[in-house]
Amino acid sequence: GAVVSQHPSWVICKSGTSVKIECRSLDFQATTMFWYRQFPKQSLMLMATSNEGSKATYEQGVEKDKFLINHASLTLSTLTVTSAHPEDSSFYICSADDRDNEQYFGPGTRLTVT
Amino acid sequence: AQSVTQLGSHVSVSEGALVLLRCNYSSSVPPYLFWYVQYPNQGLQLLLKYTSAATLVKGINGFEAEFKKSETSFHLTKPSAHMSDAAEYFCAVSGGGFQKLVFGTGTRLLVSP
Repeated sequence: GAVVSQHPSWVICKSGTSVKIECRSLDFQATTMFWYRQFPKQSLMLMATSNEGSKATYEQGVEKDKFLINHASLTLSTLTVTSAHPEDSSFYICSADDRDNEQYFGPGTRLTVT
Repeated sequence: AQSVTQLGSHVSVSEGALVLLRCNYSSSVPPYLFWYVQYPNQGLQLLLKYTSAATLVKGINGFEAEFKKSETSFHLTKPSAHMSDAAEYFCAVSGGGFQKLVFGTGTRLLVSP
């Protein structure tokens, strides 16, 4: 089956620094990738839809300048959390659409901002 | 607009008992419906999906779900629970074709010996 990887799996950073999270589709090309955020014991909330070669589409309430998304190729999308603060601590999950109406999810990245 | 409602944030069953996790959906277009499972600190794994073909969908690990348009439901069932089924389960809906998934709030399945 299709595999999506994320790197890193967990990261701890200091307040005010930036963190980049990578999402890769390993064995298929993904025109569209999605970035989700999940707080403890809660559901996934879509942050943005990332399309290869174009600007990401952000959901209402998500700060575009804080959560920078780049989808440079058909197998890679990155999420950069800029000037991170403790409230940005969360579990970030990406998914990739395989053109068959199915999203494959990465294993997630746990971000802790101290 | 699309939404899903999962009834019951927690469901407890005994090992070997029937598992029933409820999901009702709302969609302005013919829906694509999904059930995902999430183990602690992991991503989501697709259990099964409905994409307008057969209304009874069989998935992995013995799970199945039935699409009932008249009831706007897509409940997840498994005849006999196993300890390894203990996890968080999410129902989701989309309009298909690269459209975003909208998730329910999740149901935590607890399985006791």
